[in-house]
Amino acid sequence: DQQVKQNSPSLSVQEGRISILNCDYTNSMFDYFLWYKKYPAEGPTFLISISSIKDKNEDGRFTVFLNKSAKHLSLHIVPSQPGDSAVYFCAARSDSWGKLQFGAGTQVVVTP
Amino acid sequence: EAGVTQFPSHSVIEKGQTVTLRCDPISGHDNLYWYRRVMGKEIKFLLHFVKESKQDESGMPNNRFLAERTGGTYSTLKVQPAELEDSGVYFCASRVTGYGYTFGSGTRLTVV
Repeated sequence: DQQVKQNSPSLSVQEGRISILNCDYTNSMFDYFLWYKKYPAEGPTFLISISSIKDKNEDGRFTVFLNKSAKHLSLHIVPSQPGDSAVYFCAARSDSWGKLQFGAGTQVVVTP
Repeated sequence: EAGVTQFPSHSVIEKGQTVTLRCDPISGHDNLYWYRRVMGKEIKFLLHFVKESKQDESGMPNNRFLAERTGGTYSTLKVQPAELEDSGVYFCASRVTGYGYTFGSGTRLTVV
């Protein structure tokens, strides 16, 4: 039972443009959402997060938006840079012990 | 500060054999998690240790998988006997309660 879904397996964007990654979830009990970035042969690294009581969080070029009524969150990267090419995972925290549920990831390719 | 270390980085074994994966968390991190990513799908939770105790092992696929965390330090994940569907990348992560995860680079397990 996959509770976090990333329906776009890949995204190609030109350098300098905006990348928008989407994530949907089904469990209304999730209280915290995170985005991770993963390069080949490396583990996921934390990018940005948002509490369920907020609807937006911004950190430099990265902004995460949360729409609780739609059970949807998105990650905006502006402007996109070649170093942003990676797999991005959406994750949701499902209990107070920190257990995370992940989506399947979106491969982002930023072209010059 | 040393990160989370996993070894081996790759392992190729035959069906029916035994494999042991090891994770060395960041020193002082009481929480240790194992996750697995199979065939480009979502990263799935396997289990969570708090110090040497198993807090949650609800994600362990079956009794062919055995995880231990000796003395609350490093952890091992043994698969015995391995099956084809056990192939994937096994990630370990550690954290201090209340803070974020640090993931290791993963062990890519291939069962042939």
